[in-house]
Amino acid sequence: GIQVEQSPPDLILQEGANSTLRCNFSDSVNNLQWFHQNPWGQLINLFYIPSGTKQNGRLSATTVATERYSLLYISSSQTTDSGVYFCAVEGSNDYKLSFGAGTTVTVRA
Amino acid sequence: GAGVSQSPRYKVAKRGQDVALRCDPISGHVSLFWYQQALGQGPEFLTYFQNEAQLDKSGLPSDRFFAERPEGSVSTLKIQRTQQEDSAVYLCASSMLGGAPGELFFGEGSRLTVL
Repeated sequence: GIQVEQSPPDLILQEGANSTLRCNFSDSVNNLQWFHQNPWGQLINLFYIPSGTKQNGRLSATTVATERYSLLYISSSQTTDSGVYFCAVEGSNDYKLSFGAGTTVTVRA
Repeated sequence: GAGVSQSPRYKVAKRGQDVALRCDPISGHVSLFWYQQALGQGPEFLTYFQNEAQLDKSGLPSDRFFAERPEGSVSTLKIQRTQQEDSAVYLCASSMLGGAPGELFFGEGSRLTVL
């Protein structure tokens, strides 16, 4: 199946800092989603972004499908941004999302 | 409903007991998925339904795991004779489309602890 690698595994930020999370995948994809897992365990949809660039407030994401990677940008980080960020992809010959191991973000006040 | 709803949110079972976890997807969503998430890891695929048809159960870890969606809406994941290694969060997700890529929405999960 398709392989998904996220980096870095852990990220510690000072409040107000910017950061970039990366997701590499091993094959062409039909679907790519970024999620934030909140402290109660729910996966919150951030972006549905199989290609291109999207922005939502302080968050933005870019997927370059031809080069098999996606980036999630967090600007002016806040303590509420803390949590685990997952990238998940659906391969072109598949219908289910395969998840990376996640990036654990800690934002300190 | 407005989102994917799962129950119970927390379940503690003694080893050997049977458990049933319920998922109520977003109304009208064709596709329904079950995932298992162990502590500190990403979710792992268990099984997939398109309406009432279970099209893929390749991720179910053993024959103690069984899922159904008899009327194409609510789904139940059943685990028989629970073992300690079954302790995990079980996530349900749904999407509007079937057999085509579409945005997936997750419920809050059911956290199972087997003692």
